[in-house]
Amino acid sequence: GENVEQHPSTLSVQEGDSAVIKCTYSDSASNYFPWYKQELGKRPQLIIDIRSNVGEKKDQRIAVTLNKTAKHFSLHITETQPEDSAVYFCAATTSAGGTSYGKLTFGQGTILTVHP
Amino acid sequence: DAGVTQSPTHLIKTRGQQVTLRCSPKSGHDTVSWYQQALGQGPQFIFQYYEEEERQRGNFPDRFSGHQFPNYSSELNVNALLLGDSALYLCASSLTGEEAFFGQGTRLTVV
Repeated sequence: GENVEQHPSTLSVQEGDSAVIKCTYSDSASNYFPWYKQELGKRPQLIIDIRSNVGEKKDQRIAVTLNKTAKHFSLHITETQPEDSAVYFCAATTSAGGTSYGKLTFGQGTILTVHP
Repeated sequence: DAGVTQSPTHLIKTRGQQVTLRCSPKSGHDTVSWYQQALGQGPQFIFQYYEEEERQRGNFPDRFSGHQFPNYSSELNVNALLLGDSALYLCASSLTGEEAFFGQGTRLTVV
């Protein structure tokens, strides 16, 4: 089955700096890669996702890159703010049937702390 | 739109008991997945329901079972609870081919 490795496990940055979180996956059939942000005691919230037919996607201060050959994808947050502090999870999945996505396999999570 | 709702939010059970958790998907979503999130870890996939049938299953024992109703809502049942079943149980709903949205979870504590 799919295995997703995420690094680093903790990341501390100063406000305004950039943060990068990296994930690798094992199943070459995976074709959808979402990133979730989870604040303490709250639900995981989708912040950005990328499909395997795209190499890069950007949404304001957040961007994700995908290298299918190397089977890794990364989250980039620029101009970090204290409210970006949370646990970030990457995930990978493949189609369960037709166009539906199946189970999400999550990385172990990265605790991001942005210091004012 | 209320999004994905789960009930109850917190639950305390005794080892050996049985528990039922409930999930109402986001309006229009037809697929429901259940995840177990232990403290400090990423969510682990339990199973996924689509058209009232279990479509995929993760590496969880048969003590974990589920159901999806015609209105797409879903239940997760866990029998013979173990201390290790203590976790946050998350429900995620999606529409075919679209991203998954998570509920706020049910915090289950087994004592």
